[in-house]
Amino acid sequence: QKEVEQNSGPLSVPEGAIASLNCTYSDRGSQSFFWYRQYSGKSPELIMFIYSNGDKEDGRFTAQLNKASQYVSLLIRDSQPSDSATYLCAVRVSFGAGTTVTVRA
Amino acid sequence: DTGVSQNPRHKITKRGQNVTFRCDPISEHNRLYWYRQTLGQGPEFLTYFQNEAQLEKSRLLSDRFSAERPKGSFSTLEIQRTEQGDSAMYLCASSSLTAPASGANVLTFGAGSRLTVL
Repeated sequence: QKEVEQNSGPLSVPEGAIASLNCTYSDRGSQSFFWYRQYSGKSPELIMFIYSNGDKEDGRFTAQLNKASQYVSLLIRDSQPSDSATYLCAVRVSFGAGTTVTVRA
Repeated sequence: DTGVSQNPRHKITKRGQNVTFRCDPISEHNRLYWYRQTLGQGPEFLTYFQNEAQLEKSRLLSDRFSAERPKGSFSTLEIQRTEQGDSAMYLCASSSLTAPASGANVLTFGAGSRLTVL
């Protein structure tokens, strides 16, 4: 079992829609959870992190954490073409394989 | 601060040769990480340092890989006897252990060093 697993992509959404990304992790003792965005040919950059159960909102992004279910998600509201990228879920130092999102104009 | 700096940006080598990559982290960051990334995959954790101490190393990491951070500042990653399967982007990242708890351990990545083994 991989330490961090993400829902398979790619994910294509129309501009203005909500993109929903999911991630599960295997280490029940994990405390820190991160979402990074990686544009093609670039390095990952942080979108947001979450440590506590529940929702955390930052602009158009909302992260959700459920430690009991070992599940983290990221919602991108009002998706824009500039959101087209690969989104990486990270739990402590381990990354998932990423989900590629394409926002159609 | 210029962020995380990695050199060289590109390295082409023949199978069996040794290569070394250098990473200069953000100056106030005390943690430094090495990752490897291949096309279509997420970054694969290799190792990390806190100051000069190597605190964790991936079990998947071959003995041909070694990393150092002798003075707690820059770090080097050496790959001995390279194989074609070592071709990848090698990413370095740094973080601050002493950042406020709300931002602790957020990784800032360098641009990476791309290795091609012929």
